[in-house]
Amino acid sequence: QVTLKESGPGMLQPSKTLSLTCSFSGFSLSTSGMVVSWIRQPSGKSLEWLAAIDWDGDKYYNPSLKSRLTVSKDTSNTQVFLKITSVDIADTATYYCARRRTMGITPFDYWGQGVMVTVSS
Amino acid sequence: DIQMTQSPASLSASLGETVTIECLASEDIYSNLAWYQQKPGKSPQLLIYDASSLQDGVPSRFSGSESGTQYSLEINSLQSEDAATYFCQQHHDYPWTFGGGTKLELK
Repeated sequence: QVTLKESGPGMLQPSKTLSLTCSFSGFSLSTSGMVVSWIRQPSGKSLEWLAAIDWDGDKYYNPSLKSRLTVSKDTSNTQVFLKITSVDIADTATYYCARRRTMGITPFDYWGQGVMVTVSS
Repeated sequence: DIQMTQSPASLSASLGETVTIECLASEDIYSNLAWYQQKPGKSPQLLIYDASSLQDGVPSRFSGSESGTQYSLEINSLQSEDAATYFCQQHHDYPWTFGGGTKLELK
């Protein structure tokens, strides 16, 4: 059974660095073809893909935010992390991590429940 | 980036009716189009991938089709549980991009 779960600070101040963790089970990020992505959604709005890391450690970023994003994974391949620097109010959103594969069913087939992050002074 | 233009932004329909939601890609995405359903307070759930392939467990009243760069999601025989917001997403090239969403309300 594949599950993912996001965790984060809940609220932080503008200009700070947001650190998010995605803990998952039911698959290993060391398996060829596996990819974990971060996606966010401001309340009442659409979805924005942010970053991804694959089984080989290759990283992919949304060019619109690339300078502020860092994605990484742990050595046990059961957690993926996202850091967003210099946050501002526009970064207020629910942040999801989601799995995709590079073969077979390639969109996001499993999602976490999301973690709400509020940027406020 | 590939732009996904989704329409309509909202629609209202009755139980048993058929509705169609559309997504226009700004360039050829070679059928690499997914549809998701999202209910309030929940994460998106994959319905359809590769434009017309039904994800396991999704009712057969959901179907997807394509014509050029125009993609459609059809929901037949609307049920009360279909009230949700629907998003399209291209899975052809980075950065992955989503449509603006369609909020479906049941009368």
